[in-house]
Amino acid sequence: DTEVTQTPKHLVMGMTNKKSLKCEQHMGHRAMYWYKQKAKKPPELMFVYSYEKLSINESVPSRFSPECPNSSLLNLHLHALQPEDSALYLCASSQDPAGGLAQHFGDGTRLSIL
Amino acid sequence: SQQGEEDPQALSIQEGENATMNCSYKTSINNLQWYRQNSGRGLVHLILIRSNEREKHSGRLRVTLDTSKKSSSLLITASRAADTASYFCATDGGTSGSRLTFGEGTQLTVNP
Repeated sequence: DTEVTQTPKHLVMGMTNKKSLKCEQHMGHRAMYWYKQKAKKPPELMFVYSYEKLSINESVPSRFSPECPNSSLLNLHLHALQPEDSALYLCASSQDPAGGLAQHFGDGTRLSIL
Repeated sequence: SQQGEEDPQALSIQEGENATMNCSYKTSINNLQWYRQNSGRGLVHLILIRSNEREKHSGRLRVTLDTSKKSSSLLITASRAADTASYFCATDGGTSGSRLTFGEGTQLTVNP
């Protein structure tokens, strides 16, 4: 079992739907991350939250909207997605946002856009 | 541009053999990490080596780092079928330490 919990594990949605991905960690980590991973490709960083504030946005389209309600939770709100957004979305956390530390990953949400 | 490139892309070995995977990167780094990903799962951190270190061990894992060649290698000794997974290197450098850039990965298959 991973220490970072992501829900749902699978999500199928139409291009007009609005849905949210959730991520939770109780390790007291102060940095949280969203990654997108296509099949047989490495994870690509989307967003970084540092002490509950957005610190990095890797030029992600506005149809992806992250939110960090508190230090344990990270959401990714989805709206008007495109078929090419189908991927595995991974959440991760690390003890400190300064870098040089291991990141702990959840098992991801597999998203399919119809 | 892709920071990390790994070779081989795929490696198939027999149980008990050693597996070596290589990673090259383009810019200066603060540290380099290796992660494992089993099919359908998230990534698991294996080992971190800092830019001033040359070699690090953890159990059956041995990582080397050559900053002059901008390359790293991961050696798994006495491999097991359970080691079958994708292995990624990730670099952490520059002004934003939180930003990990992953290599393309090596798919390792260990045959029983």
